[in-house]
Parts: sequence; structure tokens; C-alpha cells
Amino acid sequence: AQSVTQLGSHVSVSEGALVLLRCNYSSSVPPYLFWYVQYPNQGLQLLLKYTTGATLVKGINGFEAEFKKSETSFHLTKPSAHMSDAAEYFCAVSPMNTGFQKLVFGTGTRLLVSP
Amino acid sequence: DGGITQSPKYLFRKEGQNVTLSCEQNLNHDAMYWYRQDPGQGLRLIYYSQIVNDFQKGDIAEGYSVSREKKESFPLTVTSAQKNPTAFYLCASSIDTGTSTDTQYFGPGTRLTVL
Repeated sequence: AQSVTQLGSHVSVSEGALVLLRCNYSSSVPPYLFWYVQYPNQGLQLLLKYTTGATLVKGINGFEAEFKKSETSFHLTKPSAHMSDAAEYFCAVSPMNTGFQKLVFGTGTRLLVSP
Repeated sequence: DGGITQSPKYLFRKEGQNVTLSCEQNLNHDAMYWYRQDPGQGLRLIYYSQIVNDFQKGDIAEGYSVSREKKESFPLTVTSAQKNPTAFYLCASSIDTGTSTDTQYFGPGTRLTVL
């Protein structure tokens, strides 16, 4: 069974600093990979996803993530944090070629941004 | 505007009562999903449906029931058999392309509290 590990339930950064949120997956076959963001008391919104092709994926709001097969990782980064980036971030995987998407989510990382 | 609506936003239930959470989408998506979110546990799949009049159990279906009589609607009933129903419930939908690369779009959620 596939699983996702997000290291750090909370990450704190200063405004303008680099954001790095870690995600590792466990799967015998590389899955499709997703990052979602959740603002307080709201649903989730897709930031970016990796399916095939270029391993560096750019998403919305200046975020990007790099798929590294050798490290089974899909870490999310942003060069300069904004106060508006404060939210909870979820990494998720979906097995390839199952004919239907069934997302498996990590436990989430809450990003705190201080002035 | 296209999107997913969930109602009510907040719901209070007495022990022993069944309650039904509404989920409606006007995105013309074939697939719909229900997730449960608990603090520190990420999202867990309750039920999903790929087509009208068909649905499948997810990872934590016990104590829940669903129906899919119309393409745009996928209500979730939390029954009295669910031992710990207090949680944030999220509905999602996606185009079902027959692959696992689809993006899921989420509603704003319903927060259920058992008194």
C-alpha cells in the first residue's frame, strides 16, 4: 500500500524567507504526486501536480516542487514567503494506471509566517 | 460560477441521531468523493462514486452511507453507528478520465459536532 510522510507538522518562517515543506512517499512504483493547500475552515485547493515529463513542476502562487525518484521525494518550495502563504499544506499520491484516482494524503504541514 | 457547494457549514448532532450532509457540484464531473479530516491525521476517504447509481467504499466507510441518484449530487449520511463522528467533512469531485492524474476540486466543508 502506498503512503505519504510529511516531515514536520509545523514549519515557521519569516516573511521573505525560503519555504521548504518535505514530502516522501512509499511505493514500489512511482505514483502521481500532488500538493494541496488548505486555508482555515476551507476546502483544499490544488497547488501543483506531477504526472509525467519534467520533474520540476511549477504551480500557483509561486510554489514549485521537484520529483526525485531516487529519494522518493516531492518537496514543495517557494523562494520568498508571504504572509498570505500561512495555511496547511498536504502532499498526496495516487497510484499510476489504476483507471481511477484514489488519493492518499499525508498528515499535513502547517506553515506559519511571521513578519 | 462553477463549483462545489456543501451544506450546512456547521452541524450539531445529538448522539444516536442520523444526519445527512449535502454536496452539490455544477462542474459536470463524473466522479465524486467524501473525505473526513481530523486534526493531525490528514484526509481519509469515506466513499467515492464514478458514475450515477454506483459508489464504492473507501478506507473508513463504517458508520456512513451515501447515494448517487443524480450526477450533480452526492449526499453523505452519518449514522448512529459511527462511533466518533465529530470531524470536518469534505466533498470533492473530478472529471473521470480513466486515469489517476485527475485534479480533485473540493467544497468548503461541513464541520459536524456531536453533543
